[in-house]
Amino acid sequence: SQKIEQNSEALNIQEGKTATLTCNYTNYSPAYLQWYRQDPGRGPVFLLLIRENEKEKRKERLKVTFDTTLKQSLFHITASQPADSATYLCALEDTGGFKTIFGAGTRLFVKA
Amino acid sequence: DTEVTQTPKHLVMGMTNKKSLKCEQHMGHRAMYWYKQKAKKPPELMFVYSYEKLSINESVPSRFSPECPNSSLLNLHLHALQPEDSALYLCASSPNRGNEQFFGPGTRLTVL
Repeated sequence: SQKIEQNSEALNIQEGKTATLTCNYTNYSPAYLQWYRQDPGRGPVFLLLIRENEKEKRKERLKVTFDTTLKQSLFHITASQPADSATYLCALEDTGGFKTIFGAGTRLFVKA
Repeated sequence: DTEVTQTPKHLVMGMTNKKSLKCEQHMGHRAMYWYKQKAKKPPELMFVYSYEKLSINESVPSRFSPECPNSSLLNLHLHALQPEDSALYLCASSPNRGNEQFFGPGTRLTVL
């Protein structure tokens, strides 16, 4: 069955450091991979989308990589700030489109 | 207008009640989604509408009935729900497949 795993339930880092979150998947061939941020009690907010034929995408302090051979995506937040503390979700969309599966999420805590 | 609105914010209903959740977007998006999210779990896809037609139904029980009256509106009709259906119900929209999804704030549903 299709499975998405995000490396850890929680990640604690010091302000100013780079946070690296991992998303691994099995039995799936996604056409698109997305990363979202979710704060408690709110809907997810889109951050980055990367397509299967792309290796890397950047947006300000965010970077995502996508390795379809390893079936893995890495999400980096550089120069992290306490305001980056939130749950980060990876989501895969299949080639047919629309069917989106979310990983369990990683709760990031950035300490000042 | 770049937001998805959902009403009501909170809903408490008995197992014999009939209620509806409403979602609206005015971004011209052609795809609209319903997700269910339990506490500390990722969003789970329920339904997808594409160009006002039901595109995906993830084997959702018939006590949940979606409706897309027009391209801007999405409803979720609820009838004879169970206490385990209590969750945050999220609506999202996207321009089309392979694009980021814009999420609403959700409706917090409690079934007594």
